[in-house]
Amino acid sequence: AQSVSQHNHHVILSEAASLELGCNYSYGGTVNLFWYVQYPGQHLQLLLKYFSGDPLVKGIKGFEAEFIKSKFSFNLRKPSVQWSDTAEYFCAVNARGGSGNTGKLIFGQGTTLQVKP
Amino acid sequence: NAGVTQTPKFHILKTGQSMTLQCAQDMNHGYMSWYRQDPGMGLRLIYYSAAAGTTDKEVPNGYNVSRLNTEDFPLRLVSAAPSQTSVYLCASSYRDQAPYEQYFGPGTRLTVT
Repeated sequence: AQSVSQHNHHVILSEAASLELGCNYSYGGTVNLFWYVQYPGQHLQLLLKYFSGDPLVKGIKGFEAEFIKSKFSFNLRKPSVQWSDTAEYFCAVNARGGSGNTGKLIFGQGTTLQVKP
Repeated sequence: NAGVTQTPKFHILKTGQSMTLQCAQDMNHGYMSWYRQDPGMGLRLIYYSAAAGTTDKEVPNGYNVSRLNTEDFPLRLVSAAPSQTSVYLCASSYRDQAPYEQYFGPGTRLTVT
């Protein structure tokens, strides 16, 4: 069965520290990958996505992620975090169907990021 | 556009009772989904619809959906159990536009006592 694994469940950083959150998915072939973020009390919203092309994708608020096909990974990075980045982060991949990718998403367990001022 | 809207925001239900969680979107999205969000578990897909008139069940029993039109995708808890205490999120995405990124509603926090 397809799965997504996020290695860090709870990360605590000081402001200005660098961030890397790990994400691995379980299968090869064509994949669409996503990082979503949920700020306290807010909707889940898209941070960035990989569809095709350049494996280094840039998202909102200075976040970026690198798709490494050989490692089945899509790690999220930010060079310098801010207190306002405190949130829960989810990695996701399109579920595969008989004719390719579907509109269903498979999510990882989530990583809670706490940034200390 | 209002995007994806969900009602109610909060609800407390007793074991064995039934209720319907409402979800609507005004973006003419073909795909709609229901997820439940539990601490440490991420989001788990409950039901999925690729178009009006079609639905796919992803988890066994306890839930039911209908997709009578493009906009609405209500989720019904048939006979609530404490294990269904969760935050329920509704999402939608374009049907003909990969990579099918999903737009989420604000969620319904449901407690079953």
